[in-house]
Amino acid sequence: EDQVTQSPEALRLQEGESSSLNCSYTVSGLRGLFWYRQDPGKGPEFLFTLYSAGEEKEKERLKATLTKKESFLHITAPKPEDSATYLCAVQAPGGGNKLTFGTGTQLKVEL
Amino acid sequence: DAGVTQSPTHLIKTRGQQVTLRCSPKSGHDTVSWYQQALGQGPQFIFQYYEEEERQRGNFPDRFSGHQFPNYSSELNVNALLLGDSALYLCASSTRGLQETQYFGPGTRLLVL
Repeated sequence: EDQVTQSPEALRLQEGESSSLNCSYTVSGLRGLFWYRQDPGKGPEFLFTLYSAGEEKEKERLKATLTKKESFLHITAPKPEDSATYLCAVQAPGGGNKLTFGTGTQLKVEL
Repeated sequence: DAGVTQSPTHLIKTRGQQVTLRCSPKSGHDTVSWYQQALGQGPQFIFQYYEEEERQRGNFPDRFSGHQFPNYSSELNVNALLLGDSALYLCASSTRGLQETQYFGPGTRLLVL
């Protein structure tokens, strides 16, 4: 069964203090790994898709990387508006494009 | 370009009742997936519809059923509501194809009393 584990569960940073969020996965053949951002009471907002080990993608202060066992979401010089829950999900072969999510990392960036 | 829309935004029901949630996909998308997200958890896949048929189903009981209409919009029906069905119900749309990104709507918050 596909499994996704995210760490840490919660992270508190000062504005400008860079850090990384981890997503470890177990899947029989990865079709894609997805990062979403979710604000309280809202639906997840798409950030990145990674398909193969070694791939990297960037968007503003965020950079996502992928290895054969895990993905990292690096946040450089975060701002308070980056505060949200970051969700990681995997898509595996075997029918359909169902996403299996982790429980997320709740990030709070303080002034 | 309208994104994924869902209605209603909030709903309160009592145990044993039935509920219908609605979703309109993003323009150009033909596939709709439904997820349940309990508080503090990641979304859990319920099922996916394409060409008006259920194509894939997660580990949810038959009390959860759905429908897709010719205009690609979709409904999620839950019968015999339980307290544990209280959650945020998310609809995601995509185009039919491998590795296609799913875009989520704002969700419907269901509270079962």
